[in-house]
Amino acid sequence: AQTVTQSQPEMSVQEAETVTLSCTYDTSESDYYLFWYKQPPSRQMILVIRQEAYKQQNATENRFSVNFQKAAKSFSLKISDSQLGDAAMYFCARHAMYSGGGADGLTFGKGTHLIIQP
Amino acid sequence: NAGVTQTPKFQVLKTGQSMTLQCAQDMNHEYMSWYRQDPGMGLRLIHYSVGAGITDQGEVPNGYNVSRSTTEDFPLRLLSAAPSQTSVYFCASSLAGTNTYEQYFGPGTRLTVT
Repeated sequence: AQTVTQSQPEMSVQEAETVTLSCTYDTSESDYYLFWYKQPPSRQMILVIRQEAYKQQNATENRFSVNFQKAAKSFSLKISDSQLGDAAMYFCARHAMYSGGGADGLTFGKGTHLIIQP
Repeated sequence: NAGVTQTPKFQVLKTGQSMTLQCAQDMNHEYMSWYRQDPGMGLRLIHYSVGAGITDQGEVPNGYNVSRSTTEDFPLRLLSAAPSQTSVYFCASSLAGTNTYEQYFGPGTRLTVT
């Protein structure tokens, strides 16, 4: 089974500081998509950032950026200037091909609980 | 647009009962899917559909049935509920042809089987 591993069950950071969440994954494909989703206590899944594997440039969305290391199969999320509203579960995910072969679903890591200390 | 909607938000079932979780989207997305989220776990794919009349199994399909008669709706059926199906269920949809595979999620249904 293709897996996504988040090795940090919980991270804590001071407000306004920078934090990096780790993610590694398994794949035999050369082109694929990677995602970070945020899940606040409301449990709504919110897309934070997306990276396409064939693109060399790391994706950036405002205070959120990734460090994508394709050879190492590593996809970490950096949050700069942390804010209280960033407190949530963060899930790393990659597009997965299932038996149907279509664009059909995501494989998720187990998540990292991010705590923001005021 | 309402996006992806799910009903009900909460449900309690007794073991052996059946029910259908409803999911609808108004974005004309071809792809729809169901995930379950258990404590300490990420979301796991149950079933998915790449268009009306076409469905297939994901990672954890046992105990669930789906059908897709329209583009908008993708209900998930539990034929005989078991305590192991206690979970939060998410429906998601995505647009074909964009090659981004970004999933739009509904708000989730919390199901408890006693």
